[in-house]
Parts: sequence; C-alpha cells; structure tokens
Amino acid sequence: AQSVTQLGSHVSVSEGALVLLRCNYSSSVPPYLFWYVQYPNQGLQLLLKYTSAATLVKGINGFEAEFKKSETSFHLTKPSAHMSDAAEYFCAVSVGTGGFKTIFGAGTRLFVKA
Amino acid sequence: ETGVTQSPTHLIKTRGQQVTLRCSSQSGHNTVSWYQQALGQGPQFIFQYYREEENGRGNFPPRFSGLQFPNYSSELNVNALELDDSALYLCASRTLSGSSTDTQYFGPGTRLTVL
Repeated sequence: AQSVTQLGSHVSVSEGALVLLRCNYSSSVPPYLFWYVQYPNQGLQLLLKYTSAATLVKGINGFEAEFKKSETSFHLTKPSAHMSDAAEYFCAVSVGTGGFKTIFGAGTRLFVKA
Repeated sequence: ETGVTQSPTHLIKTRGQQVTLRCSSQSGHNTVSWYQQALGQGPQFIFQYYREEENGRGNFPPRFSGLQFPNYSSELNVNALELDDSALYLCASRTLSGSSTDTQYFGPGTRLTVL
C-alpha cells in the first residue's frame, strides 16, 4: 500500500535561510508525487509534481524537490525563505488507475522568523 | 483562484443531523474528488466522481454519499452526523485523462462543525 511520511510537524527558519521539508514515500509501483501548500483558511495549491520525466522538479514560488528512488524521498527545498512562505505544506502520492486516489501526508507547518 | 468554488464556507450542525455540501468544478473538468481534512491532519480521500458515476472510494462509511451533475457540479451528503465529522471538506476537480499526474484544482473548502 502507498503511504507518505512527512518528517517534522513544525519547521522554523529565519527569513533568507534555506527551507527543507522532508517527505518519504512508500509505493509498490512507480509513484507520482506532489507537494501542495495550504494557507490559513484556504484550499490546497499545487507547488510541484513529479511525473518521472526528471528527478529534480521545479515548482512555483522558487520551490523545488528532488526524487530519490534509493532513499524513497521527495524533499522540498527553497534556497531563501520569505515571510510569505509561512504556511502548511503537504506531500502526496497519487495511486490508482487514472490517479483517482491521492494520499496526503500529515503536513508540515513552516514558520518564518524575521 | 482555481475556479473551484464551494458552499457554504462554514456550517454548524448537531449530532444526528444530515448535511449537504456543494462544489462547482472548474470549467471543462469532468472529475471531482472530495476530501476530509480534520484539524491538524492531511486531507483524507472520501470518493471521486467521473461523469456522474462514483469511480473510487476511500475508507469512509456509506453515510458519506455524493452526486455529480451533468454540469459537473457536485454534492457531498453526510447522514447521521457524528462529532468526528467536524472537519474542513475540500473538493478538487480535474480533467481525467488516465494519467495519475493530472493536476487537481482545490476549492477553498467548507468548514463543518458538529456539536
């Protein structure tokens, strides 16, 4: 069965510092992986997705993630944090024919200090 | 803005009541999925509708049911509400092309509180 584990429910960084949010997955078939961001009282917004075309995936707002099969990881990074990056981030894996079921991790809340 | 809208934004019900939540999909999308997001947790897949037929379901009891209409709007119905049903309910729409990488577009959600 597919699953996603996000390491660290809370991450705090200073403005301008590197952002690293960790995600490990479990899948019996080649996975399709996603990172979403959720701002308070809003729905989810897609940051980026891994489609097996390239292991380093670039997304919106300067975020990127690297798919590492050997480590079953898909960590999200951003070189320099901005105050507006403070939000909840979810890693997800898509399963099923036609990708009908998306399994989300528990989320990591990112705090950015001035 | 994703083009996916949900109503109402907030709702308060009492245990045992029934509730209907509504979603209007982005134009051109033929597939809608519903998710339950409890406080402090990630979204949990409830079910998906494709061309008015349910074609996938998560681990939710039958008292969670849905409808999708020809105009691709949809409803989530929950009967016999329980306290644990309190959550943010999200719908997401997309055009199903057979690819697991089809991008889902999420609505802002409906916050349901069961007292």
